Amino acid sequence: QVQLQESGPGLVPPSQTLSLTCTVSGGSINAGSYFWSWIRQPAGKEPEWIGRIDTFMRSTKNPSLASRVAISADTSKNQVFLKLSSVTAADTAVYFCAREEANLGSAFGLWGQGARVTVSS
Amino acid sequence: DIQMTQSPSSLSASVGDSVTITCRASQSISSFLSWSQQKPGKAPKLLIYSASFLQSGVPSRFSGGGSGTDFTLTISRLQPEDFGTYYCQQTYSTPYTFGQGTKLELK
Repeated sequence: QVQLQESGPGLVPPSQTLSLTCTVSGGSINAGSYFWSWIRQPAGKEPEWIGRIDTFMRSTKNPSLASRVAISADTSKNQVFLKLSSVTAADTAVYFCAREEANLGSAFGLWGQGARVTVSS
Repeated sequence: DIQMTQSPSSLSASVGDSVTITCRASQSISSFLSWSQQKPGKAPKLLIYSASFLQSGVPSRFSGGGSGTDFTLTISRLQPEDFGTYYCQQTYSTPYTFGQGTKLELK
C-alpha cells in the first residue's frame, strides 16, 4: 500500500527558505500515470495547489508562487521536494503532498498526513 | 485561474437527512471535478472523481453529478461520520483550484 509522508522544519524564520520532503513508500514515484503535487492549506481556509512534478521530472507551478517555488525529486530515494523561498507569515500553513492520478480524472487519490509550517522569528 | 464557488458555505443537518452541495466553475471544466471530505487535523479524502464516479471504498450514499460549469454532491441518509468540510476541486487546467468549502454540521 502506497503511503506519503511529509517532513521538514515546523518553524521557518521570515525571509528564509522553507524546505519540505515527501517520502513515498510502498511504490515507486516513477511508476504509473501519476503526478506528485504539493498543496498547502492555511488554517480555516481552502487548500491551495502549489505545483507538481511528473515521472519525467518536469515541474508545473502555480503562477502565483512560481517565482519562489522549486519542486524536484530523487527517484533513487523515492522522495519529492518542495522549496519555497523568501517566506512571510502568509506562507504559514499545513503543507501536503498528494498523488494526482490520471485514471481518476487527475483527482488526488492519495494524500500525506500534512506538515504544519509556521513562519515566525 | 478557474474560480470554484461552492454553496452553501455551511449546512446543518440531522442523521438520516439528505443534503446537496453545489459547486460552480467560472468556465467549463468538462467533468474534471472531484469532491473531497476533510475532518479537522486530517488530509482531504477523495470521495468522487470525474464529477460522478465513486472512489473505491466510499459508501454509495455519496453521489455526484453535473458537467461543464455546474456540479452537485449529494449525501443520502446522513451518518454521524459524514460531518466535516467538503471541497470541490477542478483538475481541468493548472493551476488547479478548490472551492471555499462547505462545513456540514450536526443539527
